[in-house]
Amino acid sequence: AQSVAQPEDQVNVAEGNPLTVKCTYSVSGNPYLFWYVQYPNRGLQFLLKYITGDNLVKGSYGFEAEFNKSQTSFHLKKPSALVSDSALYFCAVIHGSSNTGKLIFGQGTTLQVKP
Amino acid sequence: DTGVSQNPRHKITKRGQNVTFRCDPISEHNRLYWYRQTLGQGPEFLTYFQNEAQLEKSRLLSDRFSAERPKGSFSTLEIQRTEQGDSAMYLCASSLAGRDNYGYTFGSGTRLTVV
Repeated sequence: AQSVAQPEDQVNVAEGNPLTVKCTYSVSGNPYLFWYVQYPNRGLQFLLKYITGDNLVKGSYGFEAEFNKSQTSFHLKKPSALVSDSALYFCAVIHGSSNTGKLIFGQGTTLQVKP
Repeated sequence: DTGVSQNPRHKITKRGQNVTFRCDPISEHNRLYWYRQTLGQGPEFLTYFQNEAQLEKSRLLSDRFSAERPKGSFSTLEIQRTEQGDSAMYLCASSLAGRDNYGYTFGSGTRLTVV
C-alpha cells in the first residue's frame, strides 16, 4: 500500500536559521511527490513538486525539496526561516502510473518559527 | 476564474440533521476530488469524479454520504443523519486528467461542526 510518513509532529526553528521538514514515502513504481502548506482554517496551498528530472526542486516562498530515491525521502528545506513560515506542512504522493491521480497525504508537521 | 470555490465556509448543525456542501472547480478541470481532514491529521481521500462520473469512493464514505457532479461542473457532498464523528474540514480539489502530476488546486474547505 502507498503511504507517506512525516516523522515529526512539530519542528521548531529560530528565525533566520535553516529549516528541514522530513518526509518519507512508500510507493511501488515512480512517485510524484508534493508539498503543501496549510494556514489555520484555510485550504491547502501548493509549494512544490517532484515529477522527474533534477532531484532538487525549488518552489514557492524560497522553499526547496530534495528527492532521494535510495532513501525514499523528499525533505522540505529552506535556507533561512521566517516567522511567517509558521504553518502546517503536508507531504503527499501520487503513484506515477495511477489512473486516479489520488493524493496520499502524510499526517502533517507543524512548523513553528520563533523570532 | 479565481480557483476552487467551496460553500459554505463553516457549517454548524445538530446531530441527526442533513447537510450539503458545494464545490465549484476550476472551469477547465474535468476531475474533482473530495477529501476529509480531521484535527491533527492529513487529508483523507473520499471520492472523485471525472466529468460527471463518480469513479472511486473510499471506504470512509459510508452510506450516509453521497456526492454528485451533475453535468460535470460543480459538485455537492451531502451527509445525512450527521454524527459528531462527521465533524471535520471537507476539502474539494480539481485537476485536469492526465495532468494530475502537476498537482491539484484546493479550495478553502468547509468546516463542519456537529453538536
